[in-house]
Amino acid sequence: KQEVTQIPAALSVPEGENLVLNCSFTDSAIYNLQWFRQDPGKGLTSLLLIQSSQREQTSGRLNASLDKSSGRSTLYIAASQPGDSATYLCAVRGNTGGFKTIFGAGTRLFVKA
Amino acid sequence: NAGVTQTPKFRILKIGQSMTLQCTQDMNHNYMYWYRQDPGMGLKLIYYSVGAGITDKGEVPNGYNVSRSTTEDFPLRLELAAPSQTSVYFCASSNPWGQTYEQYFGPGTRLTVT
Repeated sequence: KQEVTQIPAALSVPEGENLVLNCSFTDSAIYNLQWFRQDPGKGLTSLLLIQSSQREQTSGRLNASLDKSSGRSTLYIAASQPGDSATYLCAVRGNTGGFKTIFGAGTRLFVKA
Repeated sequence: NAGVTQTPKFRILKIGQSMTLQCTQDMNHNYMYWYRQDPGMGLKLIYYSVGAGITDKGEVPNGYNVSRSTTEDFPLRLELAAPSQTSVYFCASSNPWGQTYEQYFGPGTRLTVT
């Protein structure tokens, strides 16, 4: 059974710092991995999606990497800003059993001005 | 193009009552999903559908029912509401074209059962 873990659960950094959020999964038979942002009381916004055959994806100040063999993904945020404060969730989609998606519990990020 | 819409935004139910959470998408996506999110937790899949007339159970289907009569709509039915169903419910859809299945989410329905 796929399990997805995100460490740390919460993170507080000063504005301008580069930071890395971690996501690990137990079953490497994945179809893709998707990183989301969730603001308090809001829905999820897709940030980056990495297919199982890819190693990384980039969008602006965000870079997501995937190492399927070790069951790990990282989300790198460069030059963090207070507006980046949110909860970041990773979600792993399996490649069998109906392509079900399993979510991590998220990392709550706070960027101090 | 509204994306994924959900109604209602908030609802309070008494124990034993029933209700339907509505979800509609206008992106012509085949795949649709219902998740619940408990405080401080990730999302758990309740039910999903790969097309009109086809539904299947996710991780936590007990106490819920779904139907998918059209591509656009995927309602979630709660029968005999229980306090354990207090949660935020999210509907999502995804597009198999290009084979990415990237998921797009609605704004959520916050449900309290007392």
